[in-house]
Amino acid sequence: ETGVTQSPTHLIKTRGQQVTLRCSSQSGHNTVSWYQQALGQGPQFIFQYYREEENGRGNFPPRFSGLQFPNYSSELNVNALELDDSALYLCASSLGGVPYEQYFGPGTRLTVT
Amino acid sequence: EDQVTQSPEALRLQEGESSSLNCSYTVSGLRGLFWYRQDPGKGPEFLFTLYSAGEEKEKERLKATLTKKESFLHITAPKPEDSATYLCAVQPGGATNKLIFGTGTLLAVQP
Repeated sequence: ETGVTQSPTHLIKTRGQQVTLRCSSQSGHNTVSWYQQALGQGPQFIFQYYREEENGRGNFPPRFSGLQFPNYSSELNVNALELDDSALYLCASSLGGVPYEQYFGPGTRLTVT
Repeated sequence: EDQVTQSPEALRLQEGESSSLNCSYTVSGLRGLFWYRQDPGKGPEFLFTLYSAGEEKEKERLKATLTKKESFLHITAPKPEDSATYLCAVQPGGATNKLIFGTGTLLAVQP
């Protein structure tokens, strides 16, 4: 059984650019959630995808968007990057029912300069 | 508003010195409370899920308990390798299974 993987590990972008982060869910999991974790803070929920449909969204602007593919892998896209977007972006996968445990990947460290 | 508060923010223990971390929460329709361990620069590692008041779970030197308003993570005879940030999260009622996290407790265990 493979765990959650994310790519790339680190990324440096300039303000105003666009970025795409990728996540492969754990084998057998059909739900992917994305979180943003600023330094010294807990993860903040961005949105969730279940069977290729968005299934809930946190307090993030529309320039944060996502996709889920038929194999349940997922992408997070961020347009018009701002300095405050610098953070660790975490992907978590889970089954779409009980139990609700979410298993996290190693994260992508995004730095916006 | 759903909210999770963890205390203390940081805790320094000597090896073998037992202690407890606190997680207090306000949530509409708790579906579950989760504890994670996070090492620097890495993703959170799942530890426990608690679903109802009175429930307890144990794993090695860690024991998690749950009441209607808070959860405790008890660490018995900690070792330096237990040093990490411990995150508490709740899953409120609703259609999504999003998690609402606290800011964590940074634990340092000195030999």
